[in-house]
Amino acid sequence: EIVLTQSPATLSVTPGERVTLSCRASQGVSSNLAWYQQKPGQAPRLLIHGASTRATGIPARFSGSGSGTEFTLTISSLQSEDFAVYYCQQYYNWPPLTFGGGTKVEIK
Amino acid sequence: QVHLVQSGAEVKKPGASVKVSCKASGYTFTNYGISWVRQAPGQGLEWMGWISSYNGNTNYPQKLQGRITMTTDTSTSTTYMELRSLRSDDTAVYYCAREGRYSSSWYGYWGQGTLVTVSS
Repeated sequence: EIVLTQSPATLSVTPGERVTLSCRASQGVSSNLAWYQQKPGQAPRLLIHGASTRATGIPARFSGSGSGTEFTLTISSLQSEDFAVYYCQQYYNWPPLTFGGGTKVEIK
Repeated sequence: QVHLVQSGAEVKKPGASVKVSCKASGYTFTNYGISWVRQAPGQGLEWMGWISSYNGNTNYPQKLQGRITMTTDTSTSTTYMELRSLRSDDTAVYYCAREGRYSSSWYGYWGQGTLVTVSS
């Protein structure tokens, strides 16, 4: 099973800041990695697939990078609506599909 | 547009079974597989399994083998997830999610979630 480790667990930021979230895989997953955003009481929302391809309708301030075992989700200028929990998910080697433990982005 | 509408909240006793439905609309049902993902209170996302809407083939994680069954009804574009021998740690919100693209395993469309509470 591929384990995904996200860091940090919590990030305290002010609106307008640049934010970088990390996802590390226990073995290489090529570019088969997705990122999701989840707000309280809502289903996850796909942001990025293929490590760097923005999903339909996702603002350009969200970008993904990386391949192999190290991945990054960057939010270039954090907006108020971006405070949420972010999860990575690998789909290179499954079953099982696996998710990271999440990074919570909260207001500083 | 794509919609996944799940059945309502359930309260079950330990040892019972629950069956949650996920009705799809807005696309050709048999072209995309469905995964189920659950989230215990305050916890992260856990993948529970995948079913092909085309032929009913399934993949389940080892930890749920023997307790979970996923099925589809192509006549109503509905997918079902049944979990048996419920325990208190099965209390969670259960989501169905559709593959974002044919045979991809990232999920661009999600149901609204179904809260399953297991309590004596």
